Amino acid sequence: QKEVEQDPGPLSVPEGAIVSLNCTYSNSAFQYFMWYRQYSRKGPELLMYTYSSGNKEDGRFTAQVDKSSKYISLFIRDSQPSDSATYLCAMSAKGGGNKLTFGTGTQLKVEL
Amino acid sequence: NAGVTQTPKFQVLKTGQSMTLQCAQDMNHNSMYWYRQDPGMGLRLIYYSASEGTTDKGEVPNGYNVSRLNKREFSLRLESAAPSQTSVYFCASSEGLLTGELFFGEGSRLTVL
Repeated sequence: QKEVEQDPGPLSVPEGAIVSLNCTYSNSAFQYFMWYRQYSRKGPELLMYTYSSGNKEDGRFTAQVDKSSKYISLFIRDSQPSDSATYLCAMSAKGGGNKLTFGTGTQLKVEL
Repeated sequence: NAGVTQTPKFQVLKTGQSMTLQCAQDMNHNSMYWYRQDPGMGLRLIYYSASEGTTDKGEVPNGYNVSRLNKREFSLRLESAAPSQTSVYFCASSEGLLTGELFFGEGSRLTVL
């Protein structure tokens, strides 16, 4: 069993929809949670970073962490065609530095 | 703003050949990483360098060697390539070990026949 599980999709939604992307994990030592966005044939770029449980909002993006359920989410409001990409969750343990454990990524397509 | 630059972008090798992937960053970052990305497996850490002069193994180091040439450059060497090393390789850098923010290059696509 992988430490981090993520539905690969693809997920197709109409423009303007609210998108929910999720990851589950098994390692209770994970304390730092990140979402990266990766456009086709490009490297990943950091989208959101959260520590421990709770919510964090940045513009149209909201990251949510529920450590009791070992479940993290990324919500995208008013989705745009430019949001079409693969979204990777990543996490690390306290003291683990930047040795991140990544999910396999969810491919999102926002259609006009 | 170059950020993290990887060369080459594409390479085809025969089994048993050797090659070196080059990576350079211009952000004055202390830490550098090599990941590989495979379908269904996600990004997996091969080696990392917390600071100039140090290197450590990641999750999948077998078959690879690295050199932190200076603060800017971190190379990945395949001594005897195998088909299982067909992958997309990403170099990344970060300011330190606690930021959570890695800056990635655009990747190097390697095929081993």
